[in-house]
Amino acid sequence: AQSVTQLDSQVPVFEEAPVELRCNYSSSVSVYLFWYVQYPNQGLQLLLKYLSGSTLVKGINGFEAEFNKSQTSFHLRKPSVHISDTAEYFCAVSPRTNAGKSTFGDGTTLTVKP
Amino acid sequence: EPEVTQTPSHQVTQMGQEVILRCVPISNHLYFYWYRQILGQKVEFLVSFYNNEISEKSEIFDDQFSVERPDGSNFTLKIRSTKLEDSAMYFCASRTAGTGVDSPLHFGNGTRLTVT
Repeated sequence: AQSVTQLDSQVPVFEEAPVELRCNYSSSVSVYLFWYVQYPNQGLQLLLKYLSGSTLVKGINGFEAEFNKSQTSFHLRKPSVHISDTAEYFCAVSPRTNAGKSTFGDGTTLTVKP
Repeated sequence: EPEVTQTPSHQVTQMGQEVILRCVPISNHLYFYWYRQILGQKVEFLVSFYNNEISEKSEIFDDQFSVERPDGSNFTLKIRSTKLEDSAMYFCASRTAGTGVDSPLHFGNGTRLTVT
């Protein structure tokens, strides 16, 4: 079984400031890792995914994440946020043998202030 | 870009009534899923469907729930006798491949189910 812990439920930040959303996971099997974004009244949009290889993964909208196997973390970062980045962000993992069955974290609400 | 579409966007039903949530997955996708998000809680896996049968289901997916792909394009989730605790956002998702994650999940915008 897998579990995902998003360490911050809410992250307020000023526009153009950097941000990091933290995610730790646990699993007894090898997993894939994902970050999704959910804008108000919309579905889940994939930001980026880690499959294998380079531990630094770049995604859409200027976001990137770094996989750290020893710390079982997959933190999401953006060097300069915009008002439009205000949304709910979900970290998720899925077993490599069952890639469609994802376990999600509780989500982090990112609020970007002017 | 192809999308997963879900209808209706919001469904209100009375406790004990049957409800059907509808989804049109992306046309060349082979694997279909339903996830649920109770307000303020995390997104949870309900069921996966492949080759016209359930491939896996969670503990949440009890006998009150069923899924169907009636006509090769729609994918439905039926709740036979709704309970207050079924109130949630229900997400449909689809993907093309098997174990490879070259095809990640594509989610629809969800149906918000409110049971009164």
